[in-house]
Amino acid sequence: GNSVTQMEGPVTLSEEAFLTINCTYTATGYPSLFWYVQYPGEGLQLLLKATKADDKGSNKGFEATYRKETTSFHLEKGSVQVSDSAVYFCVGTSGTYKYIFGTGTRLKVLA
Amino acid sequence: DAGVIQSPRHEVTEMGQEVTLRCKPISGHNSLFWYRQTMMRGLELLIYFNNNVPIDDSGMPEDRFSAKMPNASFSTLKIQPSEPRDSAVYFCASSLKGEKTYEQYFGPGTRLTVT
Repeated sequence: GNSVTQMEGPVTLSEEAFLTINCTYTATGYPSLFWYVQYPGEGLQLLLKATKADDKGSNKGFEATYRKETTSFHLEKGSVQVSDSAVYFCVGTSGTYKYIFGTGTRLKVLA
Repeated sequence: DAGVIQSPRHEVTEMGQEVTLRCKPISGHNSLFWYRQTMMRGLELLIYFNNNVPIDDSGMPEDRFSAKMPNASFSTLKIQPSEPRDSAVYFCASSLKGEKTYEQYFGPGTRLTVT
């Protein structure tokens, strides 16, 4: 079946450090892939997306590239800020309405 | 533009009471989802509506849970009677079916506590 696996947290970084959160997927067909961010006490916000192989999604300094050969969609940011502290979810869908959620990775950025 | 609106944001009730959660999707969206989030089980899809019709309710835990969508701009999730194990954050999300990406937009959630 379809699944999304993302790295366990929590991840603790100093401000201005480089961030990578790994995400891999298994799916039949060609999934669309998303990263969502959830700040404390809020809903999930769409951070970026990619719909086909080699697509790069980017937003607010975050980037992720849909790599079919490694079935990965790793989230990266070159310089994190305290305000980036949140839980990040990798999500996949194979052209249907059903979202397949990763378990979420909590990021804490220290000043 | 207004996003998905949910009310109430917080609900505290006693076991056995009826609870109704409300959702207003983004205008123009034709798909609506109800999710439940807990530490133990993460995010679970409860029910999916398309054009106001329930398409998939396989995630609804039991008969105590019911959901309606009387029109394109309003949906409710009702729990009757409520139990302590129903304590969770309930999210509503909407999307525009027909777009390839099926991206969903989430509301702020309702935090339900059943004592």
